[in-house]
Amino acid sequence: DTEVTQTPKHLVMGMTNKKSLKCEQHMGHRAMYWYKQKAKKPPELMFVYSYEKLSINESVPSRFSPECPNSSLLNLHLHALQPEDSALYLCASSQTWGGTARGEQYFGPGTRLTVT
Amino acid sequence: AQSVTQLDSHVSVSEGTPVLLRCNYSSSYSPSLFWYVQHPNKGLQLLLKYTSAATLVKGINGFEAEFKKSETSFHLTKPSAHMSDAAEYFCVVSDPGNDYKLSFGAGTTVTVRA
Repeated sequence: DTEVTQTPKHLVMGMTNKKSLKCEQHMGHRAMYWYKQKAKKPPELMFVYSYEKLSINESVPSRFSPECPNSSLLNLHLHALQPEDSALYLCASSQTWGGTARGEQYFGPGTRLTVT
Repeated sequence: AQSVTQLDSHVSVSEGTPVLLRCNYSSSYSPSLFWYVQHPNKGLQLLLKYTSAATLVKGINGFEAEFKKSETSFHLTKPSAHMSDAAEYFCVVSDPGNDYKLSFGAGTTVTVRA
């Protein structure tokens, strides 16, 4: 099973709302990622978790708060977002070896976020 | 540092004809290279990967790619396009020491004419 699932598929939120995106994988991968993708652009890396610890934050604004409750789950908490944060948010996972990520990343279907 | 250039932003083919998507990369190391496909409003699906084994890599749905180190290229081909191949295609390179960090090409949009 090479599936990464994400919920919800679509989310509309106001600028004062608090919401969360969820991601789950059961491939035993210990590296998990959040990406942001704007229309007609490639994905941009936001965060990397390795062995449930945040290892990379690509200078993402604090209104995005990631969380990795266990090795299968990854959340992205959203608060006080701006309209320009509207995008497709993708979760991905990959294997690890020697403490670092290895090999291809498997992507979920994404959450289409609209901030009004 | 590595980078990826996809030489065509848009490719249009007729159904049943060959598809060629061109990708050049630059990397200080022996890279890992990937092709991903993204259908509208979907996530990215791995088509194939090169990780220093055979230079001709076969992927899913009849796609294949050839790694040419001398030309720093990793072009994607398919002998006969199907309507379902209409999508966005990304060529991706990773630093073998830091696979978490992928460098994406800008993408190639493929349209298939009936």
